[in-house]
Amino acid sequence: GQQVMQIPQYQHVQEGEDFTTYCNSSTTLSNIQWYKQRPGGHPVFLIQLVKSGEVKKQKRLTFQFGEAKKNSSLHITATQTTDVGTYFCAGEPGYGKLTFGQGTILTVHP
Amino acid sequence: DVKVTQSSRYLVKRTGEKVFLECVQDMDHENMFWYRQDPGLGLRLIYFSYDVKMKEKGDIPEGYSVSREKKERFSLILESASTNQTSMYLCASSSTDIQYFGAGTRLSVL
Repeated sequence: GQQVMQIPQYQHVQEGEDFTTYCNSSTTLSNIQWYKQRPGGHPVFLIQLVKSGEVKKQKRLTFQFGEAKKNSSLHITATQTTDVGTYFCAGEPGYGKLTFGQGTILTVHP
Repeated sequence: DVKVTQSSRYLVKRTGEKVFLECVQDMDHENMFWYRQDPGLGLRLIYFSYDVKMKEKGDIPEGYSVSREKKERFSLILESASTNQTSMYLCASSSTDIQYFGAGTRLSVL
């Protein structure tokens, strides 16, 4: 079945440093979504990418979808303590079901 | 705002007990999902439903069943709980691609 691999599993940064998490799918995706889960919370939708090569920005967050629609990345510029949490990518191959990556746990040291 | 409500935040059960986890959404969404979340494994899909009385197996359905008698309610059933079912259980609903999650139920099976 479809697999979505996400790296790294953990990332520790100093406040102000940049952060990137990467997501790779074993199959071509219809779209990819990103979710954030704060400590003790539940996953919350951040963004969806649909087009090949698409790049979207949300303030300090930049999301990319690969040309082959099999990989994606989330980059945070100048991290803040409010960025802490687990970031999940989730691939949708085309029939409504999401396959989540393992998540990247981000810790930001002040 | 979409609201997905899970009946319990914490639950402690004994091995062999029958366990019901309830999930209710208030946005008339067609699709509902049950995931379990374990450290390092991300969110794994147990079962999902696209309509009332309809269910589909996810990636890890063994040991679980579901019920969807009404559109707003999706129940996860552990017929005979085992210790390896100790986990965080997350319910989600959607009408399009984006999924909205409940707060989760942390189940401990002793």
